[in-house]
Amino acid sequence: GNSVTQMEGPVTLSEEAFLTINCTYTATGYPSLFWYVQYPGEGLQLLLKATKADDKGSNKGFEATYRKETTSFHLEKGSVQVSDSAVYFCALSRSQGGSEKLVFGKGTKLTVNP
Amino acid sequence: GAGVSQSPSNKVTEKGKDVELRCDPISGHTALYWYRQSLGQGLEFLIYFQGNSAPDKSGLPSDRFSAERTGGSVSTLTIQRTQQEDSAVYLCASSPQTGGSSYEQYFGPGTRLTVT
Repeated sequence: GNSVTQMEGPVTLSEEAFLTINCTYTATGYPSLFWYVQYPGEGLQLLLKATKADDKGSNKGFEATYRKETTSFHLEKGSVQVSDSAVYFCALSRSQGGSEKLVFGKGTKLTVNP
Repeated sequence: GAGVSQSPSNKVTEKGKDVELRCDPISGHTALYWYRQSLGQGLEFLIYFQGNSAPDKSGLPSDRFSAERTGGSVSTLTIQRTQQEDSAVYLCASSPQTGGSSYEQYFGPGTRLTVT
């Protein structure tokens, strides 16, 4: 079946450090890939997405590239801020009968210290 | 505009009781999803609605769980004879359309269910 594996946290960085959160997936066909973020006390929200191989999703300084050859979708940011502290979830969906249910990784908690 | 809302925000119930969780999706969104977030299992899909029908119920963990959607809008997730392992945050998400274009799912704040 479809699954997502992301690096376990927690991850603690200093402000302006480089961030990478690894994500790999297993899926039949051609899934769409997502990063969702959950800020403290808030609901899940979409950070970025990519729908086909070699697509790059980007938002708020975060980027991730859909790599079909390595089945990966690693999240990167060049310079993190304290406000980026949150839990990050990698996810995939593959349209089946109209349903685009999301399959999530376990989440990675990021703490950025000033 | 208004986002996805869920009620109650918190629910504490005794083992064996039934509970109902409500989701109000974004107006006009035809697709609605329920997920569960728990420490042990992470985020898991429960059920998908297109309009009022549920073509994908594959994530419901047991027959104690059921859901309905009326008027293509509000959805209710019902858990009968609650068990302690049902304790989790129940999330609802809605999406404007379905199909291969991977429309964004907008999540509600969740209902935290605690079974004592």
